[in-house]
Amino acid sequence: NAGVTQTPKFRILKIGQSMTLQCTQDMNHNYMYWYRQDPGMGLKLIYYSVGAGITDKGEVPNGYNVSRSTTEDFPLRLELAAPSQTSVYFCATHQGQGPQHFGDGTRLSIL
Amino acid sequence: GNSVTQMEGPVTLSEEAFLTINCTYTATGYPSLFWYVQYPGEGLQLLLKATKADDKGSNKGFEATYRKETTSFHLEKGSVQVSDSAVYFCALSDRGSGTYKYIFGTGTRLKVLA
Repeated sequence: NAGVTQTPKFRILKIGQSMTLQCTQDMNHNYMYWYRQDPGMGLKLIYYSVGAGITDKGEVPNGYNVSRSTTEDFPLRLELAAPSQTSVYFCATHQGQGPQHFGDGTRLSIL
Repeated sequence: GNSVTQMEGPVTLSEEAFLTINCTYTATGYPSLFWYVQYPGEGLQLLLKATKADDKGSNKGFEATYRKETTSFHLEKGSVQVSDSAVYFCALSDRGSGTYKYIFGTGTRLKVLA
């Protein structure tokens, strides 16, 4: 049982490049989230989804886009990478009032 | 609106010391409460949870009791080990307007010295 799988684990981008962070879950959870965690800081919510076809902004959505075409996948897109987007990105899922399950994270550096 | 407030760190303790990390919350409904742990270089892992008032969650020697009267969910451990060094996050999940909302505290870093 893989749980929440994030790819890639590490990535270095140049300013202005674009990329997609992948998140896949095999728990059939409706809710999925993208967070970013800057060094020594807590979590900031970027986007979330309550089910396939439904997404909504969190507290720091600027510079990111998401889609949710299936229950399993919730990719996060960076269109024009900026140094301020250097961070660790976590995907998480949950069902109902249960706990969130986190992936191992993607460590992204933008130079 | 809902919120979670936890004590600022870092907290530095000697091995075998008693640990308390305070967490208080505000919620409009009847939230579930959680503690997560994040070890260096890793994602967050669920440590324990409680779903209703007076419930006690426990795991790996850690405990927390859901106190509705004081809106608190303090994390405790009787004797910490060096391996407990990590960041601890308090969180709540509440259902409002038909969807669940998850709120995390800012995290408390614990450092245990041998």
